[in-house]
Amino acid sequence: DQQVKQNSPSLSVQEGRISILNCDYTNSMFDYFLWYKKYPAEGPTFLISISSIKDKNEDGRFTVFLNKSAKHLSLHIVPSQPGDSAVYFCAASGGDYNQGGKLIFGQGTELSVKP
Amino acid sequence: DAGITQSPRHKVTETGTPVTLRCHQTENHRYMYWYRQDPGHGLRLIHYSYGVKDTDKGEVSDGYSVSRSKTEDFLLTLESATSSQTSVYFCAIRSGGWSYNEQFFGPGTRLTVL
Repeated sequence: DQQVKQNSPSLSVQEGRISILNCDYTNSMFDYFLWYKKYPAEGPTFLISISSIKDKNEDGRFTVFLNKSAKHLSLHIVPSQPGDSAVYFCAASGGDYNQGGKLIFGQGTELSVKP
Repeated sequence: DAGITQSPRHKVTETGTPVTLRCHQTENHRYMYWYRQDPGHGLRLIHYSYGVKDTDKGEVSDGYSVSRSKTEDFLLTLESATSSQTSVYFCAIRSGGWSYNEQFFGPGTRLTVL
């Protein structure tokens, strides 16, 4: 039972354009969401997060949007750069998973930004 | 940099042998986690710790045990390794700031079980 899903395994975008990565969740008790970026042979690095009391959070080129009614979040990267090429994971927390601060991760989307 | 190191970084072992992976942190964080990353599954929680000698299971804990005798070290043990435990293992700590659910990861250990 995959509670956090990233249905696109890969995404290819031209440099300078917008990258949109999507994530869906099923557990309505989730109240905090995070995005991580992972380069090969490295650990995931925290990128940006959003609480369920907000519908948007912005940090430089990265913006996360949350649509609670649709149980959907997205990460927008504008403009995309070749260095953004990586695997992106969304993660969720809340409800039963608040105990211990546990995170539930999606499967990941591999973003390729072409020069 | 959350001051997290993992050892070894790479290991090849044979089915049935015991394996211990070590996670070391330098910043006195209370919460520590072990995940495995596999294609198509993202990161899945194996075990976590909320203090010295305090641990609990995650979603894929079968075949794994953990120990935490000091704040800075969190050990993951595969008592009898199987090929299905070939994976990349990540340790993480939980930040203590206002974004209390942010976790920060170590560089990972690639384990191959032949």
